[in-house]
Amino acid sequence: DQQVKQNSPSLSVQEGRISILNCDYTNSMFDYFLWYKKYPAEGPTFLISISSIKDKNEDGRFTVFLNKSAKHLSLHIVPSQPGDSAVYFCAASAEKSSGDKLTFGTGTRLAVRP
Amino acid sequence: DAGVTQSPTHLIKTRGQQVTLRCSPISGHKSVSWYQQVLGQGPQFIFQYYEKEERGRGNFPDRFSARQFPNYSSELNVNALLLGDSALYLCASSWTETQYFGPGTRLLVL
Repeated sequence: DQQVKQNSPSLSVQEGRISILNCDYTNSMFDYFLWYKKYPAEGPTFLISISSIKDKNEDGRFTVFLNKSAKHLSLHIVPSQPGDSAVYFCAASAEKSSGDKLTFGTGTRLAVRP
Repeated sequence: DAGVTQSPTHLIKTRGQQVTLRCSPISGHKSVSWYQQVLGQGPQFIFQYYEKEERGRGNFPDRFSARQFPNYSSELNVNALLLGDSALYLCASSWTETQYFGPGTRLLVL
């Protein structure tokens, strides 16, 4: 049962344009959401997070939007840079029921073309 | 500040053997979690430890065990290795809700 889904396995964007990565979840107990970036042969690097009491969180070029009614979140990267090319994972936790356990999606590979 | 460190970086074992993976959390972080990532998938939760107590366990067989030491470092043990245990094993530490990951240990079981 895939509780966190990233339906686009890959995305290609021109440098300077916006990258939009999407994530859907099914577990209504999830109350904290995170995005991680992963380069080959490295561990996931934390990018940005959002609590379920918010609908938007921004950090520099990265913005995460949360739509609780649709059980959908997205990561916007503006402007996209070649160094952003990596695999992006969406993750969620249900603090009240399962503590800090993170449930991950399968990832989206982003390629930013120069 | 040093991030999460893991050792060894790579490991090759044969079926039936046992393996121990080690993790040192970020200074001040009392919670350590372990994840398994196989190719093409997202990390899967194995264990979480907080203040040396197991706080959560994922859907993994009893061959997997872990412990946390007084200095908050942790070990993951896997007994009777199977070919399917070949994966990247990730350790994460946290102070609040955000978990920070180490570089992982890549285990190959032949």
